[in-house]
Amino acid sequence: QSALTQPASVSGSPGQSITISCTGTSSDVGNYNLVSWYQQVPGKAPKLMIYEVTKRPSGVSSRFSGSKSGNTASLTVSGLRAEDEADYYCCSYAGSPTLIFGGGTKLTVL
Amino acid sequence: EVQLVESGGGLVQPGGSLRLSCAASGFTVSRTYMSWVRQAPGKGLEWVSLIYSSGYTHHADSVKGRFTTSRNNSGNTLYLQMNTLRTEDTAVYYCARGMAKPPSFDLWGLGTLVTVSS
Repeated sequence: QSALTQPASVSGSPGQSITISCTGTSSDVGNYNLVSWYQQVPGKAPKLMIYEVTKRPSGVSSRFSGSKSGNTASLTVSGLRAEDEADYYCCSYAGSPTLIFGGGTKLTVL
Repeated sequence: EVQLVESGGGLVQPGGSLRLSCAASGFTVSRTYMSWVRQAPGKGLEWVSLIYSSGYTHHADSVKGRFTTSRNNSGNTLYLQMNTLRTEDTAVYYCARGMAKPPSFDLWGLGTLVTVSS
């Protein structure tokens, strides 16, 4: 299976909101409410930011939120801060069981 | 302290084998699902394998038949046996702990680098 499709990069100014999309198919994103989002600072391990499409783990800022419509999941970061600058990856359950990651999106805070 | 520590990476020739270990502390690996995830240099994350608390395992097509995931319940350790290695297997390999339903990985190790090269 091919990787989920994410934009290569997004950017925003401090205080603004950005949204990162994650497009799959009816076999993965569209068929299960099992999408998670990870933040990765270069050279570091990924960090779970959102799971099961909309749920936020304890300790993750409420500025991060997730949603899904059809075959596309989205991560929204509101009130952008410099520390949000990182790579973001979505991941979806695809049955079998198989997991699929997105190609990653580099978030730049201008 | 709750943590995962990977080890066993290194330089190996194409066609060779390597076994990675992931030592867990602060929780029991057999009580949840665990995964191996890899990241080639400068590339994105790629799921490698999943092992459920039942012991059932599943591997990505790219490694199926070459990689085997197992665990040592008494030692609280996860393993990834990698055979017939290819240059495209070069990556940092992370182990990750699952929570809720897959793919929700709330704890990751620091990773171990595997380099396949002649």
